[in-house]
Amino acid sequence: EDQVTQSPEALRLQEGESSSLNCSYTVSGLRGLFWYRQDPGKGPEFLFTLYSAGEEKEKERLKATLTKKESFLHITAPKPEDSATYLCAVQARVDMRFGAGTRLTVKP
Amino acid sequence: NAGVTQTPKFQVLKTGQSMTLQCAQDMNHEYMSWYRQDPGMGLRLIHYSVGAGITDQGEVPNGYNVSRSTTEDFPLRLLSAAPSQTSVYFCASSITGIPGELFFGEGSRLTVL
Repeated sequence: EDQVTQSPEALRLQEGESSSLNCSYTVSGLRGLFWYRQDPGKGPEFLFTLYSAGEEKEKERLKATLTKKESFLHITAPKPEDSATYLCAVQARVDMRFGAGTRLTVKP
Repeated sequence: NAGVTQTPKFQVLKTGQSMTLQCAQDMNHEYMSWYRQDPGMGLRLIHYSVGAGITDQGEVPNGYNVSRSTTEDFPLRLLSAAPSQTSVYFCASSITGIPGELFFGEGSRLTVL
């Protein structure tokens, strides 16, 4: 069965303190790994798609990387506005399987 | 650009009542889906559709019905509400016939008493 596990569940950082979020997955025939950002009371917002091991994508202070078993979302010098829940999802067939998310809080 | 629109945003039901959550998108997307989000469990797929007239079950379909008569609309029906269906429901769409990059609505918070 396809599974996605995100760690840690919650992460508190000081502004400027870089860190990484982890997404471990088991899936047969990965067609894509996706990162989303979700603000409280809102729907998830698409960030990145990664298709193959070794691939990297960047957007502002965020960089997503992919290996055969996990993906990392690196946050460099975060700002308070980066506070949100970050969701990881994998697509193997016609459906997507989501992790429970990492709730990130960045203190000024 | 409205994107994906869900109504209502909030709803309280009594056990056994039925209701329909509405979802409409104006992006001409082929793929549409419904998820529920519960604390600590992540988003779980209820039903999805790869085009008008085509629907299929996701991970947690029991107690829910869907139909797709047009490209734009994908309503979710709760047949006989149960407290276990208390959740936040999200509709999402994608331009292709498979999930890919999903565009989500703002969510509908449902409480079943």
